Amino acid sequence: QVQLVQSGAEVKKPGASVRVSCKTSGYTFTNYDITWVRQAPGQGLEWMGWISTYHGHSAYARKIQGRVTMTADTSTSTAYLELRGLTFDDTAVYYCARADSHFDSGEVHWGQGTLVTVSS
Amino acid sequence: QTVVTQEPSFSVSPGGTVTLTCGLTSGSVSTTYFPSWHQQTPGQPPRTLIYGTNTRSSGVPDRFSGSILGNKAALTITGAQADDESDYYCVLYMGSGISVFGTGTKVTVL
Repeated sequence: QVQLVQSGAEVKKPGASVRVSCKTSGYTFTNYDITWVRQAPGQGLEWMGWISTYHGHSAYARKIQGRVTMTADTSTSTAYLELRGLTFDDTAVYYCARADSHFDSGEVHWGQGTLVTVSS
Repeated sequence: QTVVTQEPSFSVSPGGTVTLTCGLTSGSVSTTYFPSWHQQTPGQPPRTLIYGTNTRSSGVPDRFSGSILGNKAALTITGAQADDESDYYCVLYMGSGISVFGTGTKVTVL
């Protein structure tokens, strides 16, 4: 069965970087894109960006452009999200999803989420 | 900057029907925005209900349906059940690989 398993919770200081992984299984990794979404405490969902696991092309939300990099390791079927220059506003649960940028590539599967806490 | 708007909250009686909408602060929503709908309960990852305007995800009951109503995307729940009480988010594709989530609607079944 399709599974997306994310890395564990992180606590980071302001200004630091964080990398969240999303290990996939149960399907051909390069046949589907990966989208990243986050949710700050008590807030709604926020679309962060998308990566084509086949081409490596990506697009990022304007709000985080310049601080974010999404990558895909086809050898391990794992997608990565790196966010740099963390601020308190980056405290959130981060989700990966097997989906193209507009959730229109068939069945969407979600990771369990990774809590990133930015604290001094 | 265009914002994707949703009603903050809705209340529906068990067995009743409710229609949630997803609009733009500037312009009309059409199928070219590839509207999708996602359900979330507290502490859980989202669950995708509808994608490509009106395609139901596997396992989603047919009481959930997606459409375009006027100048907005819509999610209709027909015959609401207690476990439909959740937050619902739409997503619209803005082009150039960029999508935006709506503000979310909290649905209460009582």
